[in-house]
Amino acid sequence: DTGVSQDPRHKITKRGQNVTFRCDPISEHNRLYWYRQTLGQGPEFLTYFQNEAQLEKSRLLSDRFSAERPKGSFSTLEIQRTEQGDSAMYLCASSSATGNYEQYFGPGTRLTVT
Amino acid sequence: GENVEQHPSTLSVQEGDSAVIKCTYSDSASNYFPWYKQELGKRPQLIIDIRSNVGEKKDQRIAVTLNKTAKHFSLHITETQPEDSAVYFCAAREGYSTLTFGKGTMLLVSP
Repeated sequence: DTGVSQDPRHKITKRGQNVTFRCDPISEHNRLYWYRQTLGQGPEFLTYFQNEAQLEKSRLLSDRFSAERPKGSFSTLEIQRTEQGDSAMYLCASSSATGNYEQYFGPGTRLTVT
Repeated sequence: GENVEQHPSTLSVQEGDSAVIKCTYSDSASNYFPWYKQELGKRPQLIIDIRSNVGEKKDQRIAVTLNKTAKHFSLHITETQPEDSAVYFCAAREGYSTLTFGKGTMLLVSP
């Protein structure tokens, strides 16, 4: 499968714990995006990278959230001191930096904070 | 920032009918408008997109129209089939930055 992949697909954690998600983009794509999706809503932008540089962060992204893309390939999203309100689907997308910069999504990581 | 409104939130049609989903956007600088289909438990999939220098684009049974003056764009699906049942999201983007999505339309096609 040459599409965007994410790991894990599901994560259940207790409030206050830290969690980390991984995203592997389509190999030739140099842009990588993180979104959060809650039930009945469209994806909400969190942050994006071009190569290893984090170019934009949403105001939604609290200090408890941090994302990295150290070598310009895969990316990680860490949530520290999780809260119940963090329960959501975390989607990753990637795009090339040519044409329409079409974004292709991964399957998501569903986080449940108990 | 950009704000995208999408209507209706749910749409039920009979197989073979046409379906139309409408979106409005607030930022006149937005110039790229994709549509995504998301089946239950699956990832959003890009089905069609349009740039602001084009008024209409078609791909088999789906088409998108854009009215820049009114700042709205629409998805048209003809000859609907049960496998078209899904949630459809519109989105808008200014330049080459990030997408702002609508809240989605759940389309149900009954056989």
